Amino acid sequence: GAVVSQHPSWVICKSGTSVKIECRSLDFQATTMFWYRQFPKQSLMLMATSNEGSKATYEQGVEKDKFLINHASLTLSTLTVTSAHPEDSSFYICSARVYGYTFGSGTRLTVV
Amino acid sequence: EDKVVQSPLSLVVHEGDTVTLNCSYEVTNFRSLLWYKQEKKAPTFLFMLTSSGIEKKSGRLSSILDKKELFSILNITATQTGDSAIYLCAVSPLDAGNMLTFGGGTRLMVKP
Repeated sequence: GAVVSQHPSWVICKSGTSVKIECRSLDFQATTMFWYRQFPKQSLMLMATSNEGSKATYEQGVEKDKFLINHASLTLSTLTVTSAHPEDSSFYICSARVYGYTFGSGTRLTVV
Repeated sequence: EDKVVQSPLSLVVHEGDTVTLNCSYEVTNFRSLLWYKQEKKAPTFLFMLTSSGIEKKSGRLSSILDKKELFSILNITATQTGDSAIYLCAVSPLDAGNMLTFGGGTRLMVKP
């Protein structure tokens, strides 16, 4: 079945640094990837829709300059959290629209 | 604005019990409703429902959609401790770039 590989699984970084999260579609081409954020004990919240070869579409309230999304190829989408702060600590998950919407394994980001 | 509401918020049962999880939705141009199970990491796909009244079944899990009353239920029979998880319901509209809108989830705990 369709597999989305997400790296890293977890990352701890210092406040003010940037962190890049990658999502790769391993056995299919993903023209569209969705990026979600999940706070503890809460549901997934869509942050942005990443489209191959064009600019991402951000949901209301999501700072596009802070959460940079790049989808340069049909198999890779990246989310960069720039100048991370402790309030950015969260669980970030990507998803591609194949049957059932395949999810990456998620990245737990902790900013200290 | 699309809306997905799940109930109950959380549920504690004993092994062997049967549980019913509810998901109601308001969405323009409904395409499908999806159920996921989330343990420690990313959600895993359970069911995708597009047609009313057709039960989907996988082992002890089953789900059905009512497009007239705008809700779905997820049933788990003979629950096991391994069923303990957050169960997420999401809807996908026909437009809006195929994005999913998630409900808040139901946290199920199955005690031995």
